[in-house]
Amino acid sequence: DAKTTQPNSMESNEEEPVHLPCNHSTISGTDYIHWYRQLPSQGPEYVIHGLTSNVNNRMASLAIAEDRKSSTLILHRATLRDAAVYYCIPGDGNQFYFGTGTSLTVIP
Amino acid sequence: SQTIHQWPATLVQPVGSPLSLECTVEGTSNPNLYWYRQAAGRGLQLLFYSVGIGQISSEVPQNLSASRPQDRQFILSSKKLLLSDSGFYLCAWSQGLAGYEQYFGPGTRLTVT
Repeated sequence: DAKTTQPNSMESNEEEPVHLPCNHSTISGTDYIHWYRQLPSQGPEYVIHGLTSNVNNRMASLAIAEDRKSSTLILHRATLRDAAVYYCIPGDGNQFYFGTGTSLTVIP
Repeated sequence: SQTIHQWPATLVQPVGSPLSLECTVEGTSNPNLYWYRQAAGRGLQLLFYSVGIGQISSEVPQNLSASRPQDRQFILSSKKLLLSDSGFYLCAWSQGLAGYEQYFGPGTRLTVT
């Protein structure tokens, strides 16, 4: 499994963009990069995933470095509902290995 | 649409008692199924996954076991609970392999006393 490094915590002001970084320097060529988030006392929720190209969906954007050793999850306008723990998970199969993620605090 | 159910939502059990947690998925067929555990203040730990009926892969040695008696039913069991088994147990499903989303259930919060 590719090992990941994420900041333990980050803060953002409401309605401002948030860039959540993740380093995955041991990622293999077939690993997708998945992002999930978890609100308190709930199961994780899928956010976005990508392989090589940058990806956009209604929730967020994913910027993947050209060497794929790092990626950044971008929330374009943080809301209070975005306060959660964000997990970056490289993987090529069924098994997802969640680390401790980044706890995002959104300040009103 | 697909839904995933877990029960019970909360459970308090004494040390040494048995455990059975059930997870069912609706609206899909032949899903991949997963059991995770999250200890207090920790990340999620994959315990078991299954790609089909009767096919169980264990990720972590422990006193827990899993079974998949039906296509959309996944059961987590223990014959004798330990204090260290306390945590938030999550079931998840996915439709395929690489690049597919995992969808998580509401979870069961287990406290072993």
